[in-house]
Amino acid sequence: AQSVSQHNHHVILSEAASLELGCNYSYGGTVNLFWYVQYPGQHLQLLLKYFSGDPLVKGIKGFEAEFIKSKFSFNLRKPSVQWSDTAEYFCAVLAYGNNRLAFGKGNQVVVIP
Amino acid sequence: NAGVTQTPKFQVLKTGQSMTLQCAQDMNHEYMSWYRQDPGMGLRLIHYSVGAGITDQGEVPNGYNVSRSTTEDFPLRLLSAAPSQTSVYFCASSYSRAGTTSYEQYFGPGTRLTVT
Repeated sequence: AQSVSQHNHHVILSEAASLELGCNYSYGGTVNLFWYVQYPGQHLQLLLKYFSGDPLVKGIKGFEAEFIKSKFSFNLRKPSVQWSDTAEYFCAVLAYGNNRLAFGKGNQVVVIP
Repeated sequence: NAGVTQTPKFQVLKTGQSMTLQCAQDMNHEYMSWYRQDPGMGLRLIHYSVGAGITDQGEVPNGYNVSRSTTEDFPLRLLSAAPSQTSVYFCASSYSRAGTTSYEQYFGPGTRLTVT
């Protein structure tokens, strides 16, 4: 079964700083990759996804992620964060043909105005 | 479309009580799943279903039962609640193809359950 690792569980940034969250997974086959965001008191929303094609994926609210197959990574980036980006971010991996979406433990991001 | 709906939003149970968390979706999704979210643990899959009449266990199925009699509904049952089941529960659904899901999942608003 696939597993997902997210590091730096708590991140504190100032507005306009750049953000990068790491995501590594363990599975040797084809995968579908996702980043979800959970704003305080809300449910999970899809930020972006990778199924195939261009490994650089652009999502909502200025977020992007890059799939590097050789490193089994799918890191999330945003060049300039805003206070409204304060949220918890989850990386998720679905092995192709599998029915179990595996989540990382999440990154709690706090942006200070 | 209402998307994925869950009831109740909050629930307090005493140890040993039973209850059912309701989940419904109106997107005609074949795949539905239940997760629990605990601090520092991310989301862990409890049970999932690839279609009406078909269910399977996820990562943490013990203490929970599910059934899928219709495409729309996927209730989660706690037969005898324990304090370890205090958590936030999310239901999700997605498209499915050939019995597997390779699409993004849509999440409900969650049920916050406390077992005392």
